[in-house]
Amino acid sequence: EDQVTQSPEALRLQEGESSSLNCSYTVSGLRGLFWYRQDPGKGPEFLFTLYSAGEEKEKERLKATLTKKESFLHITAPKPEDSATYLCAAYLFQGAQKLVFGQGTRLTINP
Amino acid sequence: EAGVAQSPRYKIIEKRQSVAFWCNPISGHATLYWYQQILGQGPKLLIQFQNNGVVDDSQLPKDRFSAERLKGVDSTLKIQPAKLEDSAVYLCASSSSGSLWDTQYFGPGTRLTVL
Repeated sequence: EDQVTQSPEALRLQEGESSSLNCSYTVSGLRGLFWYRQDPGKGPEFLFTLYSAGEEKEKERLKATLTKKESFLHITAPKPEDSATYLCAAYLFQGAQKLVFGQGTRLTINP
Repeated sequence: EAGVAQSPRYKIIEKRQSVAFWCNPISGHATLYWYQQILGQGPKLLIQFQNNGVVDDSQLPKDRFSAERLKGVDSTLKIQPAKLEDSAVYLCASSSSGSLWDTQYFGPGTRLTVL
């Protein structure tokens, strides 16, 4: 069974304290990986697409990386407005396309 | 550009009742998706429409869930009869192409509570 697991489930940081969120996957037919941000009461908002191992993408204080078994979302010097749930999703092709989401990491940045 | 619209935003019903959700995608987007997001979990794709047609409904519990997309624009998702385990946020998303690879734009969701 295809599985995408995110860790930690929740993370509390002080403003300016850098850290990383993990997305590990046990899947077949991986074609790429997405990262989304979800604020309370809202739908997910697209952040990045990663296509292959070794690839990196950056946006403001966020940097996403991909290996063969996992992806990381690095957050550098976070601000309170970075508080949100971060979701990763694996895009698979197994004869038909499939999208499998992780359960998310709830990130809180304290001022 | 207007985003994906959903209504209602909240709904509380008793088990065995029926409920319907409405979605209006971004103008010009051919593909529309319905997801179920249970508290503490990631979204799970229920059904994907390409224009009027169903592309994938493999994870839709067809004994109680139904969905339609009229004229390739708006869509409704219905649950009849509802069960306690249907309590979740129902998200609608749209994209310009028919591939799950394409960037999806999500609406705010409808939070359903089944008592």
